[in-house]
Amino acid sequence: EVQLVESGGGLVKPGGSLRLSCAASGFIFSNAWMNWVRQAPGKGLEWVGRIKSKTEGGTADHAAPVKGRFTISRDDPKNTLYLQMNSLKTEDTGVYYCTTDSFGTAADWGQGTLVTVSS
Amino acid sequence: QSVLTQPPSASGTPGQRVTISCSGSTSNIGSNTVNWYQQLPGTAPKLLMYRNNERPSGVPDRFSGSKSGTSASLAISGLQSEDEGDYYCAAWDDSLNGVLFGGGTKLTVL
Repeated sequence: EVQLVESGGGLVKPGGSLRLSCAASGFIFSNAWMNWVRQAPGKGLEWVGRIKSKTEGGTADHAAPVKGRFTISRDDPKNTLYLQMNSLKTEDTGVYYCTTDSFGTAADWGQGTLVTVSS
Repeated sequence: QSVLTQPPSASGTPGQRVTISCSGSTSNIGSNTVNWYQQLPGTAPKLLMYRNNERPSGVPDRFSGSKSGTSASLAISGLQSEDEGDYYCAAWDDSLNGVLFGGGTKLTVL
């Protein structure tokens, strides 16, 4: 069974940094493309970005609102996905979900971790 | 503002059939497949439909999807109270080089 467990969320001041982690199990993580998706309080879903498997280049694509501030990376031996978030803004507040990328879409989802950017 | 447009709300009574639409453009729905997600209250989203009309294992056949041109729709037949929640469409956008989600449709079972 696929399990994705996010951690690292919390309260941070505008301009600050935070690193989210996603521990994966139940599938061959090194072969998987992975996504981050976020949801502001009471709002809809927003794709943050994705990272390919290393065998397919290991490159990451980031959505325009976070490009240059957020970086997605992976540690395959640790079966862990990361989201490094710098220069945080209040509008980055929300629940951040890690997902697998299967069938060309976000397939399995974690339970999410809450990030609050506030002074 | 989402580039994939969904109605903000939909409703039906138990047993009815409801449809939720998703309208996009040539750079997203018009050239890529559409996926649908269900988010029940207080839970993480769940993949409901992929590649326009394919159901992941475990999703009942009461749910069906279709796509035509730059629009797609999700149909739910035999509506049940446990179907109440938010539904999102999504598609890759070739211009943005990223995934677009619709704004979501809140389904109420009356």
